[in-house]
Parts: sequence; structure tokens; C-alpha cells
Amino acid sequence: QVLVQQWGAGLLKPSQTLSLTCSISGGSFGSYYCSWIRQSPGKGLEWIGEISHSGSTNYNPSLGSRVSISVDMSKSQFSLTLTSLTAADTAVYYCARELLADNAFDYWSPGTPVIVSS
Amino acid sequence: DIQMTQSPSSLSASVGDRVTITCRASESVRVYLNWYLQKPGQAPKVLIFSTSNLQSGVPRRFSASRSGTVFTLTISGLQPEDSGTYYCQQSYSTPKTFGQGTKVEVK
Repeated sequence: QVLVQQWGAGLLKPSQTLSLTCSISGGSFGSYYCSWIRQSPGKGLEWIGEISHSGSTNYNPSLGSRVSISVDMSKSQFSLTLTSLTAADTAVYYCARELLADNAFDYWSPGTPVIVSS
Repeated sequence: DIQMTQSPSSLSASVGDRVTITCRASESVRVYLNWYLQKPGQAPKVLIFSTSNLQSGVPRRFSASRSGTVFTLTISGLQPEDSGTYYCQQSYSTPKTFGQGTKVEVK
């Protein structure tokens, strides 16, 4: 049984850095990518980026150099860092598993609400 | 970026109705199109992957097809638990993109 969990601070101030960690357990580590996705009322579902088990990454160009995703293979944990936060980054943040065979997000975390406010 | 455009943005239908949602890609995504259902306060759940493959555990009343860059999700025999917002998503190229959603109300 696959379980996706995430944790991290949810209330931040403008200019601060968001750090979230995701744990995916129960699957074959090399068979999937981990993606970060966020959802805000104004912009719907937005893909932030992804990382493979080997550390290969792809990011959404809309976030520029503010985003970074890393992996700790020993713990099957994936981390998201988003710097220079503004109110526009307020959203629910999800991590999701994407099986290489299916190319779909088949398991999601419950999501973390992140509020950026002074 | 590949733009995904869904229609309609919302619909209301009765139990037992046949419902169709359309998703148009701004360029070819080949077969790499997925459908999700999201209920309030929950993460999206995958229904269909790679155009027409039913995810394990998803009822057979859900089906999907493709004609070029136009994809269709069909619910044959709408049930009360099918209410929520449906999203299409392309996984052909990065950045991976979602449609804006179709909100389905079951009368």
C-alpha cells in the first residue's frame, strides 16, 4: 500500500522561504517521479516541478529560479524549497507520485495549506 | 506551455444521465492525457490515464477517448458520488499542465 505524507510550515511572511518535505512509502523507489503541485483559487492546479529517484529535475519556468526540489534516497523523501515568497504563493501544496509506466499522478498527499501574509 | 481548455466549466445533471466533458490541448500531447476528480477538501484522484485507461478501482461507468487534440471523458449513468470537479492534465511535456476544471453537480 502506497502512502504519501508531507510536512512543513504553513504560515509564512513575504520574502521568506517555503520548505516542505514529502515521504512516499510502499512503492518501488526507482519506478516513479515525485511532483509538487499547488492549487490556489485564482490559478487552479499548477505543476511546480518534479524529481526522479536519481535526482533529475524539471521545473515550471513560471517560478524561475525561486524553486528547488531535492531527494534523500536513503529515506524516500523529497523536499520542495520556494524562496522570496509573495502573497501570490498562497495555495494548498501537494506532492504526488507519478509512475513512469502510467505518466499520471496516482497517489497524492493530503496537501498543506500555505498562507503568505505579513 | 501546452494549454488545456475544458468545457463546459460547470454542469448539472440527474442521477442516471450520461455526461460528457471535453478537454482540448493547444498542441499535440499524443496519448498522454489524464483525468482526475477532486472533491472539496481532498486531493485530486486519478480516474483515467493515458487517454483511455481506467485506473484500478474506478467504476466502469467512466470512459474516455481522443480525437486528435480533443479528449472526452464520459460518465454513463451518473451517480451521486460523481459530484465534484473534473480536471484533465497532460503529461506529454513539461511544464505539465491542467485544465481549468469542470464542476459537476448531481441533481
